[in-house]
Amino acid sequence: DAKTTQPTSMDCAEGRAANLPCNHSTISGNEYVYWYRQIHSQGPQYIIHGLKNNETNEMASLIITEDRKSSTLILPHATLRDTAVYYCIVRALRGFNKFYFGSGTKLNVKP
Amino acid sequence: GAGVSQSPSNKVTEKGKDVELRCDPISGHTALYWYRQSLGQGLEFLIYFQGNSAPDKSGLPSDRFSAERTGGSVSTLTIQRTQQEDSAVYLCASSPRDLIPLSPLHFGNGTRLTVT
Repeated sequence: DAKTTQPTSMDCAEGRAANLPCNHSTISGNEYVYWYRQIHSQGPQYIIHGLKNNETNEMASLIITEDRKSSTLILPHATLRDTAVYYCIVRALRGFNKFYFGSGTKLNVKP
Repeated sequence: GAGVSQSPSNKVTEKGKDVELRCDPISGHTALYWYRQSLGQGLEFLIYFQGNSAPDKSGLPSDRFSAERTGGSVSTLTIQRTQQEDSAVYLCASSPRDLIPLSPLHFGNGTRLTVT
């Protein structure tokens, strides 16, 4: 699996958009980008995934650069409950490839 | 429906004892994963099951660790002769099928193991 690089921590004001970057410069053509988050004392929660097109769901938007070497997870209106560790993961289309969770980004949403 | 269930939620054991951790995946999910998370760290992959088979055991840290899955459902992670460095949260996840990329992992809330 390609490895990812994320900032250790970020702050965001409540009600503002949170933009979490991720670098995956060694990503292969058959690898998807996944985002999960982990709220304290809970298991990780799936947020969104994509291959090369931008994606949006009820939780977030995923913007993937044209060269696919980086992506940004956007929480459009962050709330205090969005305070969590956010993991960016790349995973191949076929065959077994375990999800590799790095250290993630600790997002602190402040009132 | 019900999510991934893990038991116990907390386990305190003495060094040298054996422990068993249980995972009940979401009904119908054929892929099952075990991860370990030490305090303040990311997730460390341990083992993966597809059905009852474990094609990847590469993450098990030592031969004191073993896991099995019966009936394509419940899985048990066993740690023999526990050591203090085994203290961590053990997370289980399942997904409908592993070879479909649109099947994200669904995690339980983990078992917090403390070895004293």
